[in-house]
Amino acid sequence: DAKTTQPPSMDCAEGRAANLPCNHSTISGNEYVYWYRQIHSQGPQYIIHGLKNNETNEMASLIITEDRKSSTLILPHATLRDTAVYYCIVRVTGTYKYIFGTGTRLKVLA
Amino acid sequence: DTGVSQNPRHKITKRGQNVTFRCDPISEHNRLYWYRQTLGQGPEFLTYFQNEAQLEKSRLLSDRFSAERPKGSFSTLEIQRTEQGDSAMYLCASSLTGEMLGSGYTFGSGTRLTVV
Repeated sequence: DAKTTQPPSMDCAEGRAANLPCNHSTISGNEYVYWYRQIHSQGPQYIIHGLKNNETNEMASLIITEDRKSSTLILPHATLRDTAVYYCIVRVTGTYKYIFGTGTRLKVLA
Repeated sequence: DTGVSQNPRHKITKRGQNVTFRCDPISEHNRLYWYRQTLGQGPEFLTYFQNEAQLEKSRLLSDRFSAERPKGSFSTLEIQRTEQGDSAMYLCASSLTGEMLGSGYTFGSGTRLTVV
């Protein structure tokens, strides 16, 4: 079954790059990897998604391994406002069910 | 457009009571989703609507749970005979047809239910 595995927590110094890993070894060939974050008491917010190639937008970069079994979300210059829980998400093929997992709690330190 | 709106934001109820939550999606979005999030866990999919039709339900949605979207606009999630294990954040999300998870898939801020 679709599943993601992430470290439960990470710290990052303000201004440094935050690299958040995710294992999704059971991902199907046509399924995207999505990253969302959730700040306390709010709903999850979209960050980025990708299929095979690395992706970059104004918020982050996404590096996907060639075998697609894992990926890394990179926040290039973390700020205090990036403190949140980050979820790596995959879909159960053929459904509208997305698997969020337990996420990584990122704490950006001043 | 103020995004996906959920009411109430917080609900405290006694065990055994019924509760109902409301979700107002982004106006042009015809897909609507409900999730449940317990403390320390990620959101778990409950159910999905395309317009007024409920097209997918999770096994998590026991017979005490019912969701409706009568006119294809707002949706309600009712929990009957609440149990302490129902305490969680209930999240609603909406999107347009053809949009999968991504920038167009928008979550509300959720309703936090506490069953005492």
